[in-house]
Amino acid sequence: DTEVTQTPKHLVMGMTNKKSLKCEQHMGHRAMYWYKQKAKKPPELMFVYSYEKLSINESVPSRFSPECPNSSLLNLHLHALQPEDSALYLCASSQARTSGGFRESTDTQYFGPGTRLTVL
Amino acid sequence: AQKITQTQPGMFVQEKEAVTLDCTYDTSDPSYGLFWYKQPSSGEMIFLIYQGSYDQQNATEGRYSLNFQKARKSANLVISASQLGDSAMYFCAMREGRGGGFKTIFGAGTRLFVKA
Repeated sequence: DTEVTQTPKHLVMGMTNKKSLKCEQHMGHRAMYWYKQKAKKPPELMFVYSYEKLSINESVPSRFSPECPNSSLLNLHLHALQPEDSALYLCASSQARTSGGFRESTDTQYFGPGTRLTVL
Repeated sequence: AQKITQTQPGMFVQEKEAVTLDCTYDTSDPSYGLFWYKQPSSGEMIFLIYQGSYDQQNATEGRYSLNFQKARKSANLVISASQLGDSAMYFCAMREGRGGGFKTIFGAGTRLFVKA
């Protein structure tokens, strides 16, 4: 089973709203990722959690706040977003395999269906 | 410098024919992995195939095969017997084993259109 689920599928919010995106996987993966994808562009990495600890924050504005409550769940809390934050938000997970202290290049990421976010 | 280059923004193929999507990469890391993902208009990124830098044989997964030419630093995706459902965006991606950590580098993508 290589399923990653994301809710909601679509979200429309105003610039003053607070909302959360949720991601769940039951593959026993220990790394989880948030990506932002604009139309016709490749995904851009936002955050990575490894063993429930924040491993990478790609200089994302503080209006995006990630949370990893346990090894299966990943949230992205949204507050005071801007219209330019409208995009497809993708969650992914991987085993987080290492070899000799380095991340294995075979560590395949599996993606969820994404949340299409529109900020008005 | 771009590490993953996909030079074909769009490709057309007739149904039931084979098509090759190009991907070249650049890395000095001896250990790396190359991935292809399919993204239909629904948005989900679907993992298709993986090739490791030390793999001696080209990877195959059903109708997908990867033409891996290490000396040329190319990892082209070949889709045999195209189907209408193959119409999608295809991303080539790379993960470096030592210097890359958790980061996956994506190419710009190729939009494939399958004609009936």
